[in-house]
Amino acid sequence: EPEVTQTPSHQVTQMGQEVILRCVPISNHLYFYWYRQILGQKVEFLVSFYNNEISEKSEIFDDQFSVERPDGSNFTLKIRSTKLEDSAMYFCASGAGTDTQYFGPGTRLTVL
Amino acid sequence: QKEVEQNSGPLSVPEGAIASLNCTYSDRGSQSFFWYRQYSGKSPELIMFIYSNGDKEDGRFTAQLNKASQYVSLLIRDSQPSDSATYLCAVKPAGGTSYGKLTFGQGTILTVHP
Repeated sequence: EPEVTQTPSHQVTQMGQEVILRCVPISNHLYFYWYRQILGQKVEFLVSFYNNEISEKSEIFDDQFSVERPDGSNFTLKIRSTKLEDSAMYFCASGAGTDTQYFGPGTRLTVL
Repeated sequence: QKEVEQNSGPLSVPEGAIASLNCTYSDRGSQSFFWYRQYSGKSPELIMFIYSNGDKEDGRFTAQLNKASQYVSLLIRDSQPSDSATYLCAVKPAGGTSYGKLTFGQGTILTVHP
């Protein structure tokens, strides 16, 4: 059964450094999402991406964040200058339509 | 602020019992409702979704939606220890401009004891 994959599984970085989190969505899906979950808290929407552009973003998704689909398979989330409060699990999700979304295993980001 | 509220639990039920998980939402125009299961340290896994008022059954799971009361629930019949997890309610807002943004509740921890 096809699934969303994410790399790396765990990323440790120093505050102020840039990180890129990578995702490979399910191949025939057209809608792509990033969510995050701070330890012990709710899953929070960050951004949705469709037709090679951002379709919706939350107030969390400020100028330090960006997303890109550099080729036909990868979907990336870049955080330019990481802060301590960016430490969280980051989940990529994809969907064939705007309804059902399937989540990847996540990347645990630790900012020191 | 559109909210999704769940009783965080923990909810403890014996093996073989029915577990009932509840969720309320504030956006009356919401149109799609989802239940995800999340094991500790893992990602959310879609269990089922419901769009229309009433019940929807899938195996041991039944989702119930009451839009007038802004209430959605999940029943798990014949609960098994492997059902022990956090259950997340998620809501998709109304409107043609929505590209699928989901708003999640904080989750209900379910423990099924043998």
